[in-house]
Amino acid sequence: GENVEQHPSTLSVQEGDSAVIKCTYSDSASNYFPWYKQELGKRPQLIIDIRSNVGEKKDQRIAVTLNKTAKHFSLHITETQPEDSAVYFCAASMAPHSGNTPLVFGKGTRLSVIA
Amino acid sequence: DAGITQSPRYKITETGRQVTLMCHQTWSHSYMFWYRQDLGHGLRLIYYSAAADITDKGEVPDGYVVSRSKTENFPLTLESATRSQTSVYFCASSESTAGNQPQHFGDGTRLSIL
Repeated sequence: GENVEQHPSTLSVQEGDSAVIKCTYSDSASNYFPWYKQELGKRPQLIIDIRSNVGEKKDQRIAVTLNKTAKHFSLHITETQPEDSAVYFCAASMAPHSGNTPLVFGKGTRLSVIA
Repeated sequence: DAGITQSPRYKITETGRQVTLMCHQTWSHSYMFWYRQDLGHGLRLIYYSAAADITDKGEVPDGYVVSRSKTENFPLTLESATRSQTSVYFCASSESTAGNQPQHFGDGTRLSIL
């Protein structure tokens, strides 16, 4: 089955700097890669996702890149702000022709943005 | 999102007791999921359901039972709770269309087993 590795487990950056979180996956059939943000005591919330037919996707200060050959994908946050402090999870799954397959999550990265 | 609610939010029980965690969604999503979240393990899938009366095991199903008699409800039961089942439990749902769709999570249930 799919296995997702996420690095680093903790990350501290100065406000205004960029943060990068990397994930690798094992199943070459996986083609859907979402990222979730979880603030302390809150639910995970989807912040961005990418499908294997694109290599990069941006949404304001957040971007995700995908390298299918190397089986890794990354989350990039630019101009970090204190409110970006949270735990971030990557996930992967194979999207069949119909329906869904369960997501497999990485173990999370705790991002701290220091003002 | 208010469309998916979990109850109770907090629960303390004793080993050996049966406990049921409730999950209700108002979006008519076909897919529903149960995860547990533990430090160092991230989110691990317990069970999921593709539709009413269809359920399937996830990564860590032992000690848990689910049912899905109605599309909107997906209860999770611990038949005989153990301390190792102390965790935060999240329910999620997603639409069923070609290709995966985003999962929407509830607020979670923090379960402590003494």
